[in-house]
Amino acid sequence: DTEVTQTPKHLVMGMTNKKSLKCEQHMGHRAMYWYKQKAKKPPELMFVYSYEKLSINESVPSRFSPECPNSSLLNLHLHALQPEDSALYLCASSPRALETQYFGPGTRLLVL
Amino acid sequence: GEDVEQSLFLSVREGDSSVINCTYTDSSSTYLYWYKQEPGAGLQLLTYIFSNMDMKQDQRLTVLLNKKDKHLSLRIADTQTGDSAIYFCAGSGRTGANNLFFGTGTRLTVIP
Repeated sequence: DTEVTQTPKHLVMGMTNKKSLKCEQHMGHRAMYWYKQKAKKPPELMFVYSYEKLSINESVPSRFSPECPNSSLLNLHLHALQPEDSALYLCASSPRALETQYFGPGTRLLVL
Repeated sequence: GEDVEQSLFLSVREGDSSVINCTYTDSSSTYLYWYKQEPGAGLQLLTYIFSNMDMKQDQRLTVLLNKKDKHLSLRIADTQTGDSAIYFCAGSGRTGANNLFFGTGTRLTVIP
């Protein structure tokens, strides 16, 4: 198994909803990442987990809450989002921090 | 932080070679990467080069690194319509941080 999977593929939510994005990898990688990508822009790093501990939080608003319940899973909990949060949310993993990152297919989020 | 620049657009005819260029400001990246992103999809790792190398070839792909000029290029031989996508160069963080510094992305259009 050499891939990073993300669910759901698409998500539409209202500003008062609570939802979660899920990312999974079974490559034994110990670093996992969340990125946000707006249209026609490169990905922007949001969070990094290394050995299930949050090691980087790039000043992301608290309406985004990451969670790493085990070494294979990474969640992103969403609450009270704004329309400008609509974007493609990408998960990535690497064997360890600083090593080559492999990306999932992304979740396309639309906030109404 | 790191600035990574790419030209925004490139059009080539099917069967020709494509050359996508990238310039960066920070020369301390250990690895430099090329990722491909098709419409609506995640990032696919194409290839990477270690910073002490100046060339790497992988089937139709050739990566050239000129550390003196801080210039990275990706050559795609015999370009096919399936190569149409956005190509991002990326370098590892200057201070050994976990994040990648992405270029602005080059949209490659292959004309049949």
